[in-house]
Amino acid sequence: DSGVTQTPKHLITATGQRVTLRCSPRSGDLSVYWYQQSLDQGLQFLIQYYNGEERAKGNILERFSAQQFPDLHSELNLSSLELGDSALYFCASSVGHPNTGELFFGEGSRLTVL
Amino acid sequence: GQQVMQIPQYQHVQEGEDFTTYCNSSTTLSNIQWYKQRPGGHPVFLIQLVKSGEVKKQKRLTFQFGEAKKNSSLHITATQTTDVGTYFCAALTYSWGKLQFGAGTQVVVTP
Repeated sequence: DSGVTQTPKHLITATGQRVTLRCSPRSGDLSVYWYQQSLDQGLQFLIQYYNGEERAKGNILERFSAQQFPDLHSELNLSSLELGDSALYFCASSVGHPNTGELFFGEGSRLTVL
Repeated sequence: GQQVMQIPQYQHVQEGEDFTTYCNSSTTLSNIQWYKQRPGGHPVFLIQLVKSGEVKKQKRLTFQFGEAKKNSSLHITATQTTDVGTYFCAALTYSWGKLQFGAGTQVVVTP
């Protein structure tokens, strides 16, 4: 158990819909990262936050948005869903400033868009 | 485009054999990390390398950071079925500002 909690674990929805994925980082971790992993693919960096502020963006679509709240949990919002958005979405956290130490990954939220 | 190239993409290994996976970049890296993802699981941190030429060992796993800090390798000796999974390198440069993961090496072990 990494200490990072992601909900929901599985989500099935239809094209055009909107979903929200939630992440609770490890206690005390200030940095949160979101990654997308499609079937048999690598980890595509989406976005990272540090203590509530966005610090870096990757190839995140305009239909996607995220935020980190004062209690440090984070949410990833995916809208106007397309079939190609089906993937495993991982949240990770780390203790200090972004990219200064190991990432602790949650178990992921598997999104299926039908 | 992929800024961190990882090879091979797939590795079929007979139990007991050794294998190596490589991570290469055209850019000098500030540090590199290695993660393992078991089938159906999430990535788990293995090691971080920071210094040029650094070598670290974890039991049967040997991690190396190149002298020019542009490449890294993970060597596993006497492969066991528990080594099955995908091994990712993740690299950082100050200009990137974010940890870039390689595409991973998927390892299948044949008993």
